[in-house]
Amino acid sequence: GENVEQHPSTLSVQEGDSAVIKCTYSDSASNYFPWYKQELGKGPQLIIDIRSNVGEKKDQRIAVTLNKTAKHFSLHITETQPEDSAVYFCAALVRGYSTLTFGKGTMLLVSP
Amino acid sequence: NAGVTQTPKFQVLKTGQSMTLQCAQDMNHEYMSWYRQDPGMGLRLIHYSVGAGITDQGEVPNGYNVSRSTTEDFPLRLLSAAPSQTSVYFCASSYFGTGEGGEQFFGPGTRLTVL
Repeated sequence: GENVEQHPSTLSVQEGDSAVIKCTYSDSASNYFPWYKQELGKGPQLIIDIRSNVGEKKDQRIAVTLNKTAKHFSLHITETQPEDSAVYFCAALVRGYSTLTFGKGTMLLVSP
Repeated sequence: NAGVTQTPKFQVLKTGQSMTLQCAQDMNHEYMSWYRQDPGMGLRLIHYSVGAGITDQGEVPNGYNVSRSTTEDFPLRLLSAAPSQTSVYFCASSYFGTGEGGEQFFGPGTRLTVL
């Protein structure tokens, strides 16, 4: 089955800095890669996703890049703010299947 | 539009007790799933359903049962609770688009402690 590795497990940055979280996947048939943000005491919420026919996608301060050859994808957050502090999960979906495989999560701490 | 709702929010059980975690969605989504979240382990899939009457096992199904009699509801049953089932449980739903992917909407979670 699919395996998703996520790094780092914890990331501390100063407000205004950029943050990058990286994930690798094992199944070359994976074609959908979402990122979820989980605030304390809440369920995860989708913040951005990318499909395998696209190399990069941007939405205001967040962007995701995908390298299909290397089988890795990354989340980039620019101009970080304290409200960006949360746990972020990457995930992958293998084409033809209906279940996501999640990474273990990254706790992002943004200090004022 | 309430989205995905879960009850209860908190629950404490004794070893061997049984209980049902409730999940409902009002978005007419075909796909529903249950995850457990443990520290350092991310989100692990317990069971999922691609429509009423259809369920399948995920990564960690042992000790749990599910059924899907309606599109809206997807209850998770713990048959005989064990301390290893202490966790936070999330229900999620999404439009089932033949594996092409789409946003999963998560409920607020149920925090379960088994003594």
